[in-house]
Amino acid sequence: DQQVKQNSPSLSVQEGRISILNCDYTNSMFDYFLWYKKYPAEGPTFLISISSIKDKNEDGRFTVFLNKSAKHLSLHIVPSQPGDSAVYFCAASEKLGNEKLTFGTGTRLTIIP
Amino acid sequence: KAGVTQTPRYLIKTRGQQVTLSCSPISGHRSVSWYQQTPGQGLQFLFEYFSETQRNKGNFPGRFSGRQFSNSRSEMNVSTLELGDSALYLCASSLAGQGNTGELFFGEGSRLTVL
Repeated sequence: DQQVKQNSPSLSVQEGRISILNCDYTNSMFDYFLWYKKYPAEGPTFLISISSIKDKNEDGRFTVFLNKSAKHLSLHIVPSQPGDSAVYFCAASEKLGNEKLTFGTGTRLTIIP
Repeated sequence: KAGVTQTPRYLIKTRGQQVTLSCSPISGHRSVSWYQQTPGQGLQFLFEYFSETQRNKGNFPGRFSGRQFSNSRSEMNVSTLELGDSALYLCASSLAGQGNTGELFFGEGSRLTVL
């Protein structure tokens, strides 16, 4: 039972354009959401997070949007750069500080120069 | 400061054997979590240790176990290995307490191949 779903296994975007990665969840108890980025042969690194009390959080080129009623979140990267090419994982937890994260299966983003 | 260190990075075992993986968290981090990553399954939570106690557990069989030492270092053990246990095992540490942002810091992982 996949409680966090990333339905696009891969995405290709032209350099300089906007990358939009999507994530859906089914567990209404999820209260905190995070995005991680993973390069080959490295562990995932934290990118950005959002609490369920917000609908948007921005950090530089990265913005995460949360639509609680639709149980949907998205990560926007503007402008996309070649170094953004990686696998992006969406994750959720039932409260801030709960180290038990439920991850999606990931979306491989490729930025085309 | 040094990141999360996992050893060994790569190992090959045969079915029925057992394996122990080690994780040294970031200095000052008291929580250590373990995740299994397999193709098509994403990262799946195994368990989390805090102050030498298992605080959370995922849906894995009892063949998967772990422990944490007083210096916060952690080990996980898989007994009676099966082919399906082939995966990347990731360890993550966090502050787990005041100041915790929810961010996990991951190691590079231990890639286990079961033949």
